[in-house]
Amino acid sequence: GNSVTQMEGPVTLSEEAFLTINCTYTATGYPSLFWYVQYPGEGLQLLLKATKADDKGSNKGFEATYRKETTSFHLEKGSVQVSDSAVYFCALRGSGNTGKLIFGQGTTLQVKP
Amino acid sequence: GAVVSQHPSRVICKSGTSVKIECRSLDFQATTMFWYRQFPKQSLMLMATSNEGSKATYEQGVEKDKFLINHASLTLSTLTVTSAHPEDSSFYICSAPNPTRATGELFFGEGSRLTVL
Repeated sequence: GNSVTQMEGPVTLSEEAFLTINCTYTATGYPSLFWYVQYPGEGLQLLLKATKADDKGSNKGFEATYRKETTSFHLEKGSVQVSDSAVYFCALRGSGNTGKLIFGQGTTLQVKP
Repeated sequence: GAVVSQHPSRVICKSGTSVKIECRSLDFQATTMFWYRQFPKQSLMLMATSNEGSKATYEQGVEKDKFLINHASLTLSTLTVTSAHPEDSSFYICSAPNPTRATGELFFGEGSRLTVL
């Protein structure tokens, strides 16, 4: 079945450091890929997405490229801020388009001033 | 602002009692909603798909008699944890598809933390 694997956290960085959170997936067909973010005390919200191979999703300085050859969708940001501290979830939606998402285990990011 | 609202955000109950959690879509209709369960430091586990006007579809390993789901209207789905036990303590999150379906995005509620004593 479909699955998503994320790097384990927590990830602790200093402000303005470069961020990479690894995400790999297993799926049949052509899934859509997502990154969701959960800020403290809030619900999950979509950060970015990519629906086909080689697509790059981007938002708020974050980027992720859909790599079918390596089945990966790594999240990157060139310069993190304290306000980026949150839990980040990689997710996929299968090509059957049932709407349901399969999530990775989440990676906690803590950015220190 | 939030487009999916859950209530209550926190609930504490005694073992053996039942607890109902509501999930409402605000300003849009949702024929489908998804219920997830989140364990500490773990991923969101999909429990079931709630379908307006028909029975919910449960994921493998989820007890349908334990977790009753009712999609009462196009804006409301409820999850009832029946005869709750301490192991049911968890964070329950509902979601609904963005009505612009082409995006594949889900809108999530704020979650409901259940503690069973």
